[in-house]
Amino acid sequence: EAGVTQFPSHSVIEKGQTVTLRCDPISGHDNLYWYRRVMGKEIKFLLHFVKESKQDESGMPNNRFLAERTGGTYSTLKVQPAELEDSGVYFCASSRDIANYGYTFGSGTRLTVV
Amino acid sequence: QKEVEQNSGPLSVPEGAIASLNCTYSDRGSQSFFWYRQYSGKSPELIMFIYSNGDKEDGRFTAQLNKASQYVSLLIRDSQPSDSATYLCAAPGAGTALIFGKGTTLSVSS
Repeated sequence: EAGVTQFPSHSVIEKGQTVTLRCDPISGHDNLYWYRRVMGKEIKFLLHFVKESKQDESGMPNNRFLAERTGGTYSTLKVQPAELEDSGVYFCASSRDIANYGYTFGSGTRLTVV
Repeated sequence: QKEVEQNSGPLSVPEGAIASLNCTYSDRGSQSFFWYRQYSGKSPELIMFIYSNGDKEDGRFTAQLNKASQYVSLLIRDSQPSDSATYLCAAPGAGTALIFGKGTTLSVSS
């Protein structure tokens, strides 16, 4: 089966601009997660979709971040306007079962805000 | 605030040796633990999980859990250069999130 696909793999934008990250989960995986790793810090949870519904968005840092999963397939994470502290690697992961923490991660999008 | 702590390393071992990676956690109620391996520039990959006190073996990997001491470890026997990576310890947090440690970088020299 195809893995979790994320794009772009890298993005460099200026402070104040908008960036949209995309994640295509494994087909049939209802659960989709977004995580972020800021330089020098641990990977941190952002939010969790079950199909098209937000199950848990407690990790979203502020209202500059907007995640969507229309139709329960791919997901987008928009940052608007981007700030310097938003730089990091954004990972998407998916799983078939909600209780399965052994999810499959994508290779991430490295976002640099300058 | 639940936390998972790891020594960032780097941990350097010669080829063929046993690598011991350690993790402590703050939430005494945590029931399950996960070890992910991440090669540089790649995605984290689940390699082991453990729910019960004691040892769990899978090939060259052994996960050890001591709930009384709130301590989890991963042993890699007969370490190979291909094992060189960052190893991430994780435990379930609130809701459906996983809480990760910062990871320990392992370097196996040939």
